[in-house]
Amino acid sequence: SQQGEEDPQALSIQEGENATMNCSYKTSINNLQWYRQNSGRGLVHLILIRSNEREKHSGRLRVTLDTSKKSSSLLITASRAADTASYFCATQRNSGGTSYGKLTFGQGTILTVHP
Amino acid sequence: EAGVAQSPRYKIIEKRQSVAFWCNPISGHATLYWYQQILGQGPKLLIQFQNNGVVDDSQLPKDRFSAERLKGVDSTLKIQPAKLEDSAVYLCASRRWGGASDTQYFGPGTRLTVL
Repeated sequence: SQQGEEDPQALSIQEGENATMNCSYKTSINNLQWYRQNSGRGLVHLILIRSNEREKHSGRLRVTLDTSKKSSSLLITASRAADTASYFCATQRNSGGTSYGKLTFGQGTILTVHP
Repeated sequence: EAGVAQSPRYKIIEKRQSVAFWCNPISGHATLYWYQQILGQGPKLLIQFQNNGVVDDSQLPKDRFSAERLKGVDSTLKIQPAKLEDSAVYLCASRRWGGASDTQYFGPGTRLTVL
């Protein structure tokens, strides 16, 4: 079953605007990761935030994690047309043993950035 | 560094036929994953290998799906017989074994259409 739920399901903005996507999950996690997927380049890892971290930055990306609310957000600043893609959050649980490293993906947010 | 390779990229078959997908992970990556991504959803893990051993196949429909990873490198995923609901993109990913936070690298996927 899918652990994460993402909000909104679709987001349409103009180039230069900021885009914020949210992810909620149900169980305790080791870390949460964000991936981007478009038809040209497949599924690409963007950023990882550990359960003991609250905020992380990478270029134009800012990720926050609130483990008390079991939620995360991805902010893309100064968006570009090339950011048009589907964005997925994925949680990794440290259950040990055989499930180590297993990712559980959300349903994704479709982002469209208009030039 | 070469990425994860998958073939074929597209496959169209009739229901009840058989199909096989191939994956070559990044060199040196001990962990290999097969995911199924149905249109409009996030990827769902089917099976995880650690070297040539299966460590998680809890979501693999074993009555029709099978997978192997010979010599701990390449892997094949087979569906026999295919059903309409198997239409999806099948993604292969690999990860270097070294800790919970290592990134998974995804291949371009094989898009399967079952008619």
